[in-house]
Amino acid sequence: AQSVTQLDSQVPVFEEAPVELRCNYSSSVSVYLFWYVQYPNQGLQLLLKYLSGSTLVKGINGFEAEFNKSQTSFHLRKPSVHISDTAEYFCAVSDLPGGYQKVTFGTGTKLQVIP
Amino acid sequence: SAVISQKPSRDICQRGTSLTIQCQVDSQVTMMFWYRQQPGQSLTLIATANQGSEATYESGFVIDKFPISRPNLTFSTLTVSNMSPEDSSIYLCSVRNSVARTDTQYFGPGTRLTVL
Repeated sequence: AQSVTQLDSQVPVFEEAPVELRCNYSSSVSVYLFWYVQYPNQGLQLLLKYLSGSTLVKGINGFEAEFNKSQTSFHLRKPSVHISDTAEYFCAVSDLPGGYQKVTFGTGTKLQVIP
Repeated sequence: SAVISQKPSRDICQRGTSLTIQCQVDSQVTMMFWYRQQPGQSLTLIATANQGSEATYESGFVIDKFPISRPNLTFSTLTVSNMSPEDSSIYLCSVRNSVARTDTQYFGPGTRLTVL
């Protein structure tokens, strides 16, 4: 069965500093990985996704993530954060493309950007 | 990408009553899902809404408590029945189009439910 572990429940970081949000996954077959962001009082918005190809994936708002198969990780990074990045970030895994499947979400990491 | 709207955006309800949440998508989608996000927790899939047939429920969720309808490819409802304070949560509608094989799930803004 697939699962996702987000190691940090909260990450405080100063504005303009770099940040890394960690995500590890387990899956029995080929994986498809996602990062979603949830701003306060809003639904989830897709940040980026890894389906195949280059292991470095660039998303919206300057975020990027690197798929590391040997370490079963998909960490999210941003070189310089802004106050507006304060939100909760969810890593998710889906085993197969298309068709019926269940996407499994991690428990989320709250990013707090400090002015 | 799909644009999803939910009604109501929030509600405060009394114990023992029921609330129906609507989800409307701006385009036809193959698959619609309902998730629950309890305070301080991640998303939990309640069920997959199937057009023209009964929804497929995940373990721990039953039709009597969470009846779901999906009359067409752009609309679905989730009812939270006989509510208790433990049902206080954010309920999210989500869609994907497996025909397009995009693999992306899009989410509505959520319905924030408080049960007193």
